[in-house]
Amino acid sequence: DQQVKQNSPSLSVQEGRISILNCDYTNSMFDYFLWYKKYPAEGPTFLISISSIKDKNEDGRFTVFLNKSAKHLSLHIVPSQPGDSAVYFCAASRGEDMRFGAGTRLTVKP
Amino acid sequence: DAGVIQSPRHEVTEMGQEVTLRCKPISGHNSLFWYRQTMMRGLELLIYFNNNVPIDDSGMPEDRFSAKMPNASFSTLKIQPSEPRDSAVYFCASSLGFGGLSFFGSGTQLSVL
Repeated sequence: DQQVKQNSPSLSVQEGRISILNCDYTNSMFDYFLWYKKYPAEGPTFLISISSIKDKNEDGRFTVFLNKSAKHLSLHIVPSQPGDSAVYFCAASRGEDMRFGAGTRLTVKP
Repeated sequence: DAGVIQSPRHEVTEMGQEVTLRCKPISGHNSLFWYRQTMMRGLELLIYFNNNVPIDDSGMPEDRFSAKMPNASFSTLKIQPSEPRDSAVYFCASSLGFGGLSFFGSGTQLSVL
């Protein structure tokens, strides 16, 4: 049972434009949400997170938005750069229990 | 810090053989997670430990899978007997404290022929 869903397996954008990656979750008990980035042959690395008490968190080019009523979060990357090309995993957690989505492969074209 | 260390990086084995994957968490971290990455399901949580005690193993797919954490610096994930559908990348991650950020190892690419 997938508690965290990323319905877009892939996304392609032009360099300099905005990338928007989406994520939905089913368990309203999750209280902390994260995005991880994964390059080939490496483990996922933490990118940005948001607590359930907030609806937006920004870190440089990366912004995460949380809509608790819709159980939806999104990651905005602007402007997108070729080095952002990777697989992005959305995660939701409560305590130590963290669940991941299937990932979205982002390709940023020069 | 060396980060989470997993071994081997790659494992190729024949169906029916026993496979043991190893993980050394970051020193001082008290939670350890085993994940399996597949194209269809992404990162699946298999099992996690807190203070060396298994907390939730509901993600372990079958009795063929078992995990141990004999001490705070070492964990194993064993598959016996292995099957071709077990082929995937297996990640270990560790974190500090309740709800702390998880740090991942580089993964073990398992191929069962």
